[in-house]
Amino acid sequence: DAGITQSPRHKVTETGTPVTLRCHQTENHRYMYWYRQDPGHGLRLIHYSYGVKDTDKGEVSDGYSVSRSKTEDFLLTLESATSSQTSVYFCAISSRDTYTGELFFGEGSRLTVL
Amino acid sequence: AQTVTQSQPEMSVQEAETVTLSCTYDTSESDYYLFWYKQPPSRQMILVIRQEAYKQQNATENRFSVNFQKAAKSFSLKISDSQLGDAAMYFCAYILVQGAQKLVFGQGTRLTINP
Repeated sequence: DAGITQSPRHKVTETGTPVTLRCHQTENHRYMYWYRQDPGHGLRLIHYSYGVKDTDKGEVSDGYSVSRSKTEDFLLTLESATSSQTSVYFCAISSRDTYTGELFFGEGSRLTVL
Repeated sequence: AQTVTQSQPEMSVQEAETVTLSCTYDTSESDYYLFWYKQPPSRQMILVIRQEAYKQQNATENRFSVNFQKAAKSFSLKISDSQLGDAAMYFCAYILVQGAQKLVFGQGTRLTINP
């Protein structure tokens, strides 16, 4: 199994509070991703990173920011959480060096914004 | 826009029978990978099968096989001899070989296995 750890796994917070989700990998993979999963929408890309300090937006990036200061860590921040950001968040990784197109996923983080 | 469409929100099948899940996608590129991922109640995303777009031969993995029709941009998943453990959400997805490495997902199909 790919070494991907997401934290926290579950979080309940209130509208307007900041939230940071962490993704940690032990595979030294170049690419890291944050997706959100909502019923009827599948998984939608929020942001992704193609190297340290190199990030780009996905299709649902509004209200989210990311940072990658080390290869192994990719942080997703909600500066001021809203109820529409209640979702399950998945981190994923892939390696261009042994590229098969496949992404390896973490176990997900369930965020509830009240 | 690059999109993936799964037109069947829910499917059900009797145990030991065969079921086919549909997927269509839209891209102007010619070089890409296609995937089916399974998500059981544990929420873990599990790769079921992969297809390279340049290969005409349909991929197979044990009881799982695909029908890849590149011209029609269709990528269906066939599950033979369905088992109770196959019950899950199934997601179709693709990623381009060149350019931004972003996996694009369909909406998912929830598969129920009836004993």
